[in-house]
Order: sequence, then C-alpha cells, then structure tokens
Amino acid sequence: GAVVSQHPSWVICKSGTSVKIECRSLDFQATTMFWYRQFPKQSLMLMATSNEGSKATYEQGVEKDKFLINHASLTLSTLTVTSAHPEDSSFYICSAHGVRGGAQETQYFGPGTRLLVL
Amino acid sequence: DQQVKQNSPSLSVQEGRISILNCDYTNSMFDYFLWYKKYPAEGPTFLISISSIKDKNEDGRFTVFLNKSAKHLSLHIVPSQPGDSAVYFCAASVTGNQFYFGTGTSLTVIP
Repeated sequence: GAVVSQHPSWVICKSGTSVKIECRSLDFQATTMFWYRQFPKQSLMLMATSNEGSKATYEQGVEKDKFLINHASLTLSTLTVTSAHPEDSSFYICSAHGVRGGAQETQYFGPGTRLLVL
Repeated sequence: DQQVKQNSPSLSVQEGRISILNCDYTNSMFDYFLWYKKYPAEGPTFLISISSIKDKNEDGRFTVFLNKSAKHLSLHIVPSQPGDSAVYFCAASVTGNQFYFGTGTSLTVIP
C-alpha cells in the first residue's frame, strides 16, 4: 500500500485563491520532504526541500512567498500555493525521505496533486 | 496495490560493464514513463523518459527500452561508471494523471 499520501489528489480553484496541499508519510518518520512540480511531458522540477522544524530551502527561481512550505512534524509537510493563477496549474508531487521498517534510508513519492486554476 | 514494481532492490556491476535496471507495471493504460536517479540525502534528478509511441529512447550512456506487451521497462547504462552509483526509480503515468513510482533499485558500480 501507499506509504506517502497527498491530499487532495485533485483541486480546481479560482484565480486569486490559495490552495493547501498536504503530504504525509504514513508509517515512517520523514526527516526530509521534497516538493516537485511536473510540467506536461517534462521532468519533475524540484521546488524546495523541507526539513522538519526548520525553514524550507527553495530552488533558484521558485518564489518562496508564493509557495509556502511548512514541515511541522516528521510525518506532515504542506505546500500552500498563495494567490494562485492559471500559470500555477500543474501537477505537484512530494516525496518523503527517511528510514522505514528498519531498512536503509530511502525515499517514497506521493501520488501527486493536480491543481487547475481557472 | 503497487502498479509499478522494481523487483531488484539492489544491483552491483563492475565499472565499464552494462547496468540493466528493470521495472514492471500493471496498468496497460500507462503511456509515459520516467527514470530518476537519486544520490543519498538529495532529491531525485530526472534521467530519461519515454512515451508509449516509442520502444527505445537513448541519451548518451543511458537507454530506456519499453516493451508494452510485457509491460516492462528497462534502463541500460553503458559503460557503467562509479559516479552512476545511486538509487534509480522508475515512474509511470497516464498522461495528465498521477504518477506511480517504483520503490527503487540501488546500483553500485565497483571500480
């Protein structure tokens, strides 16, 4: 079964509203979570890296005031797209890095959240 | 239900030889496939992709093969280099929909 969940899986919103996407590691503690954005037929673009209890590290070109990331606990990270515009429409994927079940550290991807801004 | 599977958690290959990483999927509707590479403590980086209209895509030392009838994807690295040692993930999607990821294969290239 899934080890990383994202909620919601789909969201449609009006331009100017804010949207929050949750990423949860279901049965392990994720010391680090990554947020990606996927453009059609293109690779995942890393947006930011978040460590529990500290500020996220954003990649160059990613507006930190527009894409707010909170990693409040070892199992939850949130991405808030503030004042969303149609160009923010995309597929957002998180991944969680940690040790699961006593195995070596690994990384699991969430299923993604499709955002459509009208 | 794991729709994308990488059945080999690890693989060791001698430097200069070919590395072959395998990936199987269950959903025949998948039409877009990706391979990612990940170093410890870093996020994955995109490696190569293939759409279902092709059966092969090549980029330098990396070639991805797609066998739609077998629902099988493979990544060939030739020649393998020590810097290729990393965890490799495959992913599949129906275009416009969510991605499904494999659990990764850890490749070690021995100098």
